Amino acid sequence: RKEVEQDPGPFNVPEGATVAFNCTYSNSASQSFFWYRQDCRKEPKLLMSVYSSGNEDGRFTAQLNRASQYISLLIRDSKLSDSATYLCVVNVLGNTGKLIFGQGTTLQVKP
Amino acid sequence: DARVTQTPRHKVTEMGQEVTMRCQPILGHNTVFWYRQTMMQGLELLAYFRNRAPLDDSGMPKDRFSAEMPDATLATLKIQPSEPRDSAVYFCASGLVAVGLREGLETQYFGPGTRLLVL
Repeated sequence: RKEVEQDPGPFNVPEGATVAFNCTYSNSASQSFFWYRQDCRKEPKLLMSVYSSGNEDGRFTAQLNRASQYISLLIRDSKLSDSATYLCVVNVLGNTGKLIFGQGTTLQVKP
Repeated sequence: DARVTQTPRHKVTEMGQEVTMRCQPILGHNTVFWYRQTMMQGLELLAYFRNRAPLDDSGMPKDRFSAEMPDATLATLKIQPSEPRDSAVYFCASGLVAVGLREGLETQYFGPGTRLLVL
């Protein structure tokens, strides 16, 4: 079983739609969580950190459920420019800072 | 705007040749990572360094890959001899590990990657 699992998609949605991605992690000692975004043929970039209380950044909302060991990302009013691969990332405390990346979920927003 | 730089951006070589990839981390970052990304495997961690010391290279094929940090401004990843299955995008990333109660990497900043094709 992979340490971080995501549905690879692709998720094809129309502009303006709301879309949600989930991610599960296997190590209950995981301490820090992130969503990264990767555009085609580009490097991954931090989209947002995920805090225990949940956090929002504009149209993006990230939530963490420690009991069920999953993380979610909600995108509201999706734009064409949101089309990318979204990587779920976990940092296990005591793992000397090593991040574990999921395989990514591909989102394609259509006009 | 500080960023991680990598050279070369693209490399095409023949099987058996040596390949050296270079990375300049963001000034002040104390941790450097090397990743490989393919369609099949996704993003794989090959090796990483803290304060220039290798911490973990368990993801790296030892017989042909080597990673070093000759100084704080340069990290290198070398493949010798290269094989077609090494074809991938190699990313370098750097970050600052928080010291104290909350141990862990706040975030990593990736370079643009080196696209390697071994024929």
